[in-house]
Amino acid sequence: AQKITQTQPGMFVQEKEAVTLDCTYDTSDQSYGLFWYKQPSSGEMIFLIYQGSYDEQNATEGRYSLNFQKARKSANLVISASQLGDSAMYFCAMREGPRGGNTPLVFGKGTRLSVIA
Amino acid sequence: DSGVTQTPKHLITATGQRVTLRCSPRSGDLSVYWYQQSLDQGLQFLIQYYNGEERAKGNILERFSAQQFPDLHSELNLSSLELGDSALYFCASSVGLAYNEQFFGPGTRLTVL
Repeated sequence: AQKITQTQPGMFVQEKEAVTLDCTYDTSDQSYGLFWYKQPSSGEMIFLIYQGSYDEQNATEGRYSLNFQKARKSANLVISASQLGDSAMYFCAMREGPRGGNTPLVFGKGTRLSVIA
Repeated sequence: DSGVTQTPKHLITATGQRVTLRCSPRSGDLSVYWYQQSLDQGLQFLIQYYNGEERAKGNILERFSAQQFPDLHSELNLSSLELGDSALYFCASSVGLAYNEQFFGPGTRLTVL
């Protein structure tokens, strides 16, 4: 079974609008971490935001916020005020295990976001 | 710039050959991870080292091997290369004990002809 599911292969958003990228996950662990990475056309993987399973508040980093709904096992990424430079592939990932652990990440298949001027 | 370096950036080789990919983690990071990104398989974890010791293995083929040296840099060795090994190979590093983020290098794009 897929541990990370990203159901939107591609998304379009108008510049300056907000967009939500969906991510659902599957784990039986109580401790886990959820991550979002951005991969522009140049290929590098850029860390965006992290949410721990025990964090009570949704994570925010600048224009990025993570809408964490634990009961629904979803960790959607919200990008506010989209910019042309946000056009990229976005990957949701999960690391199972306690905070501070150094276990590998499991990635979803990604969502390609295109920002339109 | 994540602070993780990978060389070479591009590699073109023939089937049956052997190549070595090199990774230098961020200063102070003890954990190194190798990932493979291909069109059909997506991003897949291959292997992890922590302070010189292998800690976790993912979908790594027997033809592939890795090691982490005392200075913490790591090498991924790919042998008997096949067309299907063409992919982007990422190295990532993390501190390992207190932090959660893994920082990725720019990747090595391997093309097997």
